[in-house]
Amino acid sequence: DTAVSQTPKYLVTQMGNDKSIKCEQNLGHDTMYWYKQDSKKFLKIMFSYNNKELIINETVPNRFSPKSPDKAHLNLHINSLELGDSAVYFCASSHDRAGEQYFGPGTRLTVT
Amino acid sequence: SQKIEQNSEALNIQEGKTATLTCNYTNYSPAYLQWYRQDPGRGPVFLLLIRENEKEKRKERLKVTFDTTLKQSLFHITASQPADSATYLCALDAGGYQKVTFGTGTKLQVIP
Repeated sequence: DTAVSQTPKYLVTQMGNDKSIKCEQNLGHDTMYWYKQDSKKFLKIMFSYNNKELIINETVPNRFSPKSPDKAHLNLHINSLELGDSAVYFCASSHDRAGEQYFGPGTRLTVT
Repeated sequence: SQKIEQNSEALNIQEGKTATLTCNYTNYSPAYLQWYRQDPGRGPVFLLLIRENEKEKRKERLKVTFDTTLKQSLFHITASQPADSATYLCALDAGGYQKVTFGTGTKLQVIP
């Protein structure tokens, strides 16, 4: 059973489009995260939700909007995609606010 | 500003030797420090967590030390194997509702 899953794995789209990435965890965790890993492999947190409530919102353009319909899901919607949005986006979850995080396989987004 | 530094260069080591990776930080008071492994094209995988009041933690061939005075953590892999080749990330967590901050990672290559 996959613990943290993301769809799609690859996403190629043109500038200006709107796209969504979905994440689901079957670990029963309370906290979920979105990270962005750029071409230099730097992993930076974007958002964190705890029990469907937004608790961390880093300096991310308003074009990025997370949505957590329930504790097991955290989706990321991106409006008006730009070239600089090209990166690998990782979803992660943890049992509570502290402790080890379990990462999904990543979604490689390429904006052309 | 907060800064986390890991060996920026790749670390090459002979099979069977002990690999030692360094994580230094400034302007930070982490409650926890975590180490993750990341293979190409995959999400990070949690390895070990050490708390600020712990000096050392072990798990099989892995050992982590945490020196809050030196603001440094050392990650050791004993009897290294080619399968240990990967990028290793340290992550600092101040606890509570603060974000986890990842270092840039060190790429380890174990040569047969």
